[in-house]
Amino acid sequence: AQSVTQLDSQVPVFEEAPVELRCNYSSSVSVYLFWYVQYPNQGLQLLLKYLSGSTLVESINGFEAEFNKSQTSFHLRKPSVHISDTAEYFCAVSDQGSSNTGKLIFGQGTTLQVKP
Amino acid sequence: ETGVTQTPRHLVMGMTNKKSLKCEQHLGHNAMYWYKQSAKKPLELMFVYSLEERVENNSVPSRFSPECPNSSHLFLHLHTLQPEDSALYLCASSQEIWSGETQYFGPGTRLLVL
Repeated sequence: AQSVTQLDSQVPVFEEAPVELRCNYSSSVSVYLFWYVQYPNQGLQLLLKYLSGSTLVESINGFEAEFNKSQTSFHLRKPSVHISDTAEYFCAVSDQGSSNTGKLIFGQGTTLQVKP
Repeated sequence: ETGVTQTPRHLVMGMTNKKSLKCEQHLGHNAMYWYKQSAKKPLELMFVYSLEERVENNSVPSRFSPECPNSSHLFLHLHTLQPEDSALYLCASSQEIWSGETQYFGPGTRLLVL
């Protein structure tokens, strides 16, 4: 069974400052890793994901995450945040095994609050 | 309409009522999902359908009954719910059932059970 821990429930940060949202996972099998973002009154949308290859993955809006297998982490970073980045961020994993039904295991979410 | 749509967006029901949530995806996907998002809890997968066949039932109580009449539509029929069932119910779709697929979410139905 897998589990995901997002260590911070809320992260307040000033505009243009860097930010890191932490995600650790536990799994006995290989996993795929995802970050989803949920803006107020909207559904979740994919920010980025790691499937294979380079352990550093990037999104189109300046976020990046690095898969660290030894530390079982997939932390999300952005060097300079904007007010519009205010949202809830969810880390998720899925089992790479052939029996997987597309099931995602989510963390509890981190609320990023960007202040002017 | 584009993406994944859900109706109604808000629903208030009594414990003896029967209601249905509707989800429609306009993406040509083959897989659809129901999730429950409760306050201060991780999103919980409820059901997964692939080509209208249910492939996952994540120990959901029988008072929740899903229906997938075709690959574009997904319903969640509700009856004799409890107050603890109040939550945001999210529908999602993906191209295929595969653990690396991106899932596309609708905006959700906010349900309040009185």
